[in-house]
Amino acid sequence: SAVISQKPSRDICQRGTSLTIQCQVDSQVTMMFWYRQQPGQSLTLIATANQGSEATYESGFVIDKFPISRPNLTFSTLTVSNMSPEDSSIYLCSVDGGQPKAFFGQGTRLTVV
Amino acid sequence: DAKTTQPPSMDCAEGRAANLPCNHSTISGNEYVYWYRQIHSQGPQYIIHGLKNNETNEMASLIITEDRKSSTLILPHATLRDTAVYYCTKSHNFNKFYFGSGTKLNVKP
Repeated sequence: SAVISQKPSRDICQRGTSLTIQCQVDSQVTMMFWYRQQPGQSLTLIATANQGSEATYESGFVIDKFPISRPNLTFSTLTVSNMSPEDSSIYLCSVDGGQPKAFFGQGTRLTVV
Repeated sequence: DAKTTQPPSMDCAEGRAANLPCNHSTISGNEYVYWYRQIHSQGPQYIIHGLKNNETNEMASLIITEDRKSSTLILPHATLRDTAVYYCTKSHNFNKFYFGSGTKLNVKP
């Protein structure tokens, strides 16, 4: 199994600022994914973080708002830019871990005030 | 658009079997049925997956109908720690998932 560490675990940010969330995996993985979970809601896939190329975004999510980096096979970052209170959510990283199932981090709980 | 249907909530007595249903409006031949659960806003936890045969592991059993559009997750002896939101989803590439609303399972003493 893959062990995923996300940082920070939680943060409170001012509107208009940006926050970068880190996702570190204990092994090399091909695919990394970012999800958003708004309060009381299910998980929504934001994008697939591809190593060596630009991230692939799902409908409704754009690079200017959620820029993603994937510098190597064990690390990715998601930035939430120009934040508003509507961005208050839990942001989760997941990986395939080389098995037919996904592993999820514990998430970053973001509150925008 | 493809739609996954799960009851929003279910109750189960501790020690009894919990049977959670799921329906997919469409499912392709190469898409696996997956079940995950999320306990109190932790990261989702993999439970089980299957293609067309029934599956069992240490956590649960999965029953898939012949047309594969319906499945049932069975927790044979539910405990209070099984209280969670259970998500049924599907995937052909094992790693990218689109989650529906899920079922909130309440296990009661």
